[in-house]
Amino acid sequence: KAGVTQTPRYLIKTRGQQVTLSCSPISGHRSVSWYQQTPGQGLQFLFEYFSETQRNKGNFPGRFSGRQFSNSRSEMNVSTLELGDSALYLCASSFIRGGSSGANVLTFGAGSRLTVL
Amino acid sequence: GENVEQHPSTLSVQEGDSAVIKCTYSDSASNYFPWYKQELGKGPQLIIDIRSNVGEKKDQRIAVTLNKTAKHFSLHITETQPEDSAVYFCAASGAQKLVFGQGTRLTINP
Repeated sequence: KAGVTQTPRYLIKTRGQQVTLSCSPISGHRSVSWYQQTPGQGLQFLFEYFSETQRNKGNFPGRFSGRQFSNSRSEMNVSTLELGDSALYLCASSFIRGGSSGANVLTFGAGSRLTVL
Repeated sequence: GENVEQHPSTLSVQEGDSAVIKCTYSDSASNYFPWYKQELGKGPQLIIDIRSNVGEKKDQRIAVTLNKTAKHFSLHITETQPEDSAVYFCAASGAQKLVFGQGTRLTINP
């Protein structure tokens, strides 16, 4: 079956702009988590959506937001981009709540690489 | 919240030798510990995981050990091959989310 699909794969923006990234989870998966990956900070949790509701949130400013649609597809948005937002943004899906005890494997997409100039 | 420390940050081994990567975690309530492998241009891929009611798990050349008392877990790769070259991440479950270590860049030298 198809894996987690993220679009776009690469994009370049300038400071102050905003960006929207898209994630299509594995069919049947209802949970979508987003992570930011940078060389210095590793994989940092952004937020998790389950059944269209944000269930968990990491320590990121309000400029980072997301949503999930009824078909489980998810988008994340970053407004007023800063140079430090340059990163690989990874989406992961799981059948139920992701990452918790007794829970399901997180399956990651290939990521969207954002460069802010 | 949960904090995961991973060592070493880089590791270089000769093909055929073994590689060991170690992680420690802070939250004693964590009970799920996966390991992910990330190749260039790809997202992390789960290679093995262990739950807290198990001390060791093996899958062919890969094994993971867990010491809940000491709050550390390790990844062991035996008979390393060139295709094992990648970045490896450990993670621990905490508060309904996975917290990742900083990653280990493993290089297998022919």
